[in-house]
Amino acid sequence: DGGITQSPKYLFRKEGQNVTLSCEQNLNHDAMYWYRQDPGQGLRLIYYSQIVNDFQKGDIAEGYSVSREKKESFPLTVTSAQKNPTAFYLCASSMEGPDYEQYFGPGTRLTVT
Amino acid sequence: AQSVSQHNHHVILSEAASLELGCNYSYGGTVNLFWYVQYPGQHLQLLLKYFSGDPLVKGIKGFEAEFIKSKFSFNLRKPSVQWSDTAEYFCAVNINTGTASKLTFGTGTRLQVTL
Repeated sequence: DGGITQSPKYLFRKEGQNVTLSCEQNLNHDAMYWYRQDPGQGLRLIYYSQIVNDFQKGDIAEGYSVSREKKESFPLTVTSAQKNPTAFYLCASSMEGPDYEQYFGPGTRLTVT
Repeated sequence: AQSVSQHNHHVILSEAASLELGCNYSYGGTVNLFWYVQYPGQHLQLLLKYFSGDPLVKGIKGFEAEFIKSKFSFNLRKPSVQWSDTAEYFCAVNINTGTASKLTFGTGTRLQVTL
């Protein structure tokens, strides 16, 4: 059953703690992406990776970090430097190139108090 | 940088009414265009896409969209909505750079269909 898994579905953390969100895909896609979704703001790109061991900042990368050590995995760390971390985080993947749609995971809702 | 505008933030329609959701983008070059839908509690999924060719594209569940290059628009339409179309709809644009599939999303339109 191919797809993208994100875990956990809900995550709660105290302010000042770093937290890592998991994203795994078995679609054999080269490219992976992290978005943040806030009410009324749509989806904003945090980081993306077109190939293993390489990634680029998106539009709102400050306070976040990623790694891409394996093709299947693209974890996102929300650091204590992120000023407003409470949000819904979506991971996506696609074949490499502009002519391919992105496939999305179910998302992780992070609440930081 | 390119941007995407969805002017309708919240739309309420009765079942069987016709739907048109606006989407405009700002970029003068070649673009790929997408509409995604997020049903309550479900993954974001692709409704339809335009890359080239016929500017009127048909998607799943009876949706269609028309690319009008002169107006930088890609409006989504459905002749007769159903209660099950209640969802949030996102327009997205990908600049065709030949290398990356980097999407810019609009802010979304929440559609509520009443019985």
